[in-house]
Amino acid sequence: GENVEQHPSTLSVQEGDSAVIKCTYSDSASNYFPWYKQELGKRPQLIIDIRSNVGEKKDQRIAVTLNKTAKHFSLHITETQPEDSAVYFCAADTEGGADGLTFGKGTHLIIQP
Amino acid sequence: DAGVIQSPRHEVTEMGQEVTLRCKPISGHNSLFWYRQTMMRGLELLIYFNNNVPIDDSGMPEDRFSAKMPNASFSTLKIQPSEPRDSAVYFCASGSGGGPNNEQFFGPGTRLTVL
Repeated sequence: GENVEQHPSTLSVQEGDSAVIKCTYSDSASNYFPWYKQELGKRPQLIIDIRSNVGEKKDQRIAVTLNKTAKHFSLHITETQPEDSAVYFCAADTEGGADGLTFGKGTHLIIQP
Repeated sequence: DAGVIQSPRHEVTEMGQEVTLRCKPISGHNSLFWYRQTMMRGLELLIYFNNNVPIDDSGMPEDRFSAKMPNASFSTLKIQPSEPRDSAVYFCASGSGGGPNNEQFFGPGTRLTVL
């Protein structure tokens, strides 16, 4: 089955700086890669996703890049703000989101004021 | 839309007791997923349904776990008998099953504590 590795487990950045979280996946058939943000005690919420036919996608301060050859994808957050502090999960799916997601272990992002 | 609804939000029970978690997916969604979240293992898929039919239950840890979806608006996850290592947050999620908009929407979760 699919295996998703996520790094780093904890990331601390100064407010206003950029943050990058990286994930690798094992199943070359995976074609859908969502990123979820989970605040303490809350549910995971989708912040951005990308499909295998696209190399990059951007939504305001967040962007995701995908390298299918290397089987890795990354989340980029620019101009970080205190409300960006949360745990971020990457995930992969082989059915475009139709079946269950395989999640990375999560990255605890801390924005230092 | 109320989103995915889960009940109870918190459950505390004693080892050996039966536990039933409930989920109401978003109306119109045809896929439903049960996940478990722990500090040690992160978010794990337990089972998912498409059009009320269980598709993949390979993530269900043991025979003590069972899930049903009797209709498009209701699903249950049952643990019988429960054990302390089952303590976790159980999330239900629903989605539109592979169409253009594939987001899986998570419910608020049920925090289960087995003493």
